[in-house]
Amino acid sequence: SYQLTQPPSVSVSPGQIAAITCSGDQLRNKYVCWYQQRAGQSPVLLFYQDSERPSGIPERFSASNSGDTATLTIRGTQPMDEADYYCQTWDDSTAVFGGGTKLTVL
Amino acid sequence: QLQLQESGPGLVKPSETLSLTCTVSGGSITSSTSPYWGWIRQPPGKGLEWIGNIHYSGNTYYNPSLESRVTMSVDTSKNQFSLSLSSVTAADTALYYCASLSRTFLVTTYYYYIDVWGNGSTVTVSS
Repeated sequence: SYQLTQPPSVSVSPGQIAAITCSGDQLRNKYVCWYQQRAGQSPVLLFYQDSERPSGIPERFSASNSGDTATLTIRGTQPMDEADYYCQTWDDSTAVFGGGTKLTVL
Repeated sequence: QLQLQESGPGLVKPSETLSLTCTVSGGSITSSTSPYWGWIRQPPGKGLEWIGNIHYSGNTYYNPSLESRVTMSVDTSKNQFSLSLSSVTAADTALYYCASLSRTFLVTTYYYYIDVWGNGSTVTVSS
């Protein structure tokens, strides 16, 4: 079965750039979406179709997908961005989630 | 604005069937702009696991690892959709989310993504 691999944790200082990766075999040939889940809350869609940002998502968030890796980038990271981040794609009629990355802002 | 609310028992005994219902408000379950609905779960302290999707017409996609135990259905008259998971064990203890899905198309494949999540319903499997 298809797998998506994310680093378990990423740390960043406030105001700096955070990058969270999501790797999968020939992932560039698939669409990837990203979700943010703050502690105790439901996930929120950050991006779909690799880099399409739903309304209400701040522009400091961006996403890309090339090669075998999709990347979520947060510029000017804020304390409120501390959360778990999940990538997701679709393979053989099955939704696949990455294991999630805990972003710590310190 | 579309809102989803899960409901159902918080405690289920091992080997029994878990049943949850999701009530859709702020929109129709038969909407042409958002006709896909799904269930996702999250075990305590762990990541997200997709359970399955259903179209309001009844067409379904299930996670292969759960397919033998999962049934989803839609009740358009009540603007609700439901999840049944049979023969539960402690491994099915999780926070269960219902969701609204949209989709995009690439080459030969539809890609579903979750654009609205419910608040989640905690289900514990224990005797």
